Amino acid sequence: EAGVAQSPRYKIIEKRQSVAFWCNPISGHATLYWYQQILGQGPKLLIQFQNNGVVDDSQLPKDRFSAERLKGVDSTLKIQPAKLEDSAVYLCASSHSDRTNIQYFGAGTRLSVL
Amino acid sequence: GQSLEQPSEVTAVEGAIVQINCTYQTSGFYGLSWYQQHDGGAPTFLSYNALDGLEETGRFSSFLSRSDSYGYLLLQELQMKDSASYFCAVRDLDTGRRALTFGSGTRLQVQP
Repeated sequence: EAGVAQSPRYKIIEKRQSVAFWCNPISGHATLYWYQQILGQGPKLLIQFQNNGVVDDSQLPKDRFSAERLKGVDSTLKIQPAKLEDSAVYLCASSHSDRTNIQYFGAGTRLSVL
Repeated sequence: GQSLEQPSEVTAVEGAIVQINCTYQTSGFYGLSWYQQHDGGAPTFLSYNALDGLEETGRFSSFLSRSDSYGYLLLQELQMKDSASYFCAVRDLDTGRRALTFGSGTRLQVQP
């Protein structure tokens, strides 16, 4: 079974620029998550989707971050405009909707904002 | 809300046994999970405890005491490849929609 795919693996941008990350979850996984992981810390949830609906976006900085999951499969996370403190690894994960304790993570996108 | 505490670093030698502790505070509890993450890699699920007691999976075991809000991950017969960060994580029953809340991680260094 193919794992969670993410692209790009690395991205370097200047502050105030915009950036987008893409995620393709494991086939059949209804639940998709975006996490932000700052160096030396655990992953922090940004947004959770159930199929193509948002379940939890309470920790998403909505003034600059947006995400969508069209057709309940692929998802895109966007940052516009980026700030220096957005430098982090952005991880996408997916799970079965009834087994959210077992999440499968992609390799992540390492973002550097200069 | 939730909070988790785990040691920041642990060092052990090859072949030894190491225990990584995790204490948590949640307004509602729905199980303790453990994830492993190598440098530059993706977090990988290791184990999950919903009930008190020990769960064993090969060289790894995980323990939970709900009355003490405490759990640990036990790694036996340590190998160099076990050098990684280990995260405990909880899901809050009260806000069942929420995803996992992760601890800040324990960096394990296995020395020859």
